[in-house]
Amino acid sequence: EAGVAQSPRYKIIEKRQSVAFWCNPISGHATLYWYQQILGQGPKLLIQFQNNGVVDDSQLPKDRFSAERLKGVDSTLKIQPAKLEDSAVYLCASSLLQAYNEQFFGPGTRLTVL
Amino acid sequence: AQTVTQSQPEMSVQEAETVTLSCTYDTSESDYYLFWYKQPPSRQMILVIRQEAYKQQNATENRFSVNFQKAAKSFSLKISDSQLGDAAMYFCAYAGEEIIFGKGTRLHILP
Repeated sequence: EAGVAQSPRYKIIEKRQSVAFWCNPISGHATLYWYQQILGQGPKLLIQFQNNGVVDDSQLPKDRFSAERLKGVDSTLKIQPAKLEDSAVYLCASSLLQAYNEQFFGPGTRLTVL
Repeated sequence: AQTVTQSQPEMSVQEAETVTLSCTYDTSESDYYLFWYKQPPSRQMILVIRQEAYKQQNATENRFSVNFQKAAKSFSLKISDSQLGDAAMYFCAYAGEEIIFGKGTRLHILP
């Protein structure tokens, strides 16, 4: 069974530029999560989708971050414009249904904002 | 709001020995789930063990077990017979109305 795929693995941009990350969850997983993991901290949930609907986006900085999950499968997370403090690893995870199910994580995208 | 606290930023244990990682949380919910996830260096995060709050029995998975004290809001992870492959960051996580991860404990295994 293929795992959660993410791309790119690494991205370096200048502040005020835009960036997009892509995630393809495990086939059949209804729930998809995007996390931000700043160095030395635990993952922070940015947004949770169930199929193509948003379950929780309370911690998503909506003035600069956006995410979509068209057709309830893969998802993109965008930052526009980026700030220095956005430097982090962005993790995508998926689970069968609810958050009480095991989450399967992708390898992450390491973003550096200069 | 819920919080998850891991008070041990780093721990070390001798190979084959037993180690316990601490986690406390704060919530007003009665129905929730608790997890320990492992993040090896440069590798993906994986689930170690899961506990349903409504179950009194502590979860176990081979060498990994938890001590779940619901009234005390404590959820510690015990690793028995530590192996070199157990070296990783360990995150305690809460899933209820919110999903919250602790800051992690880096575990070193000494040969």
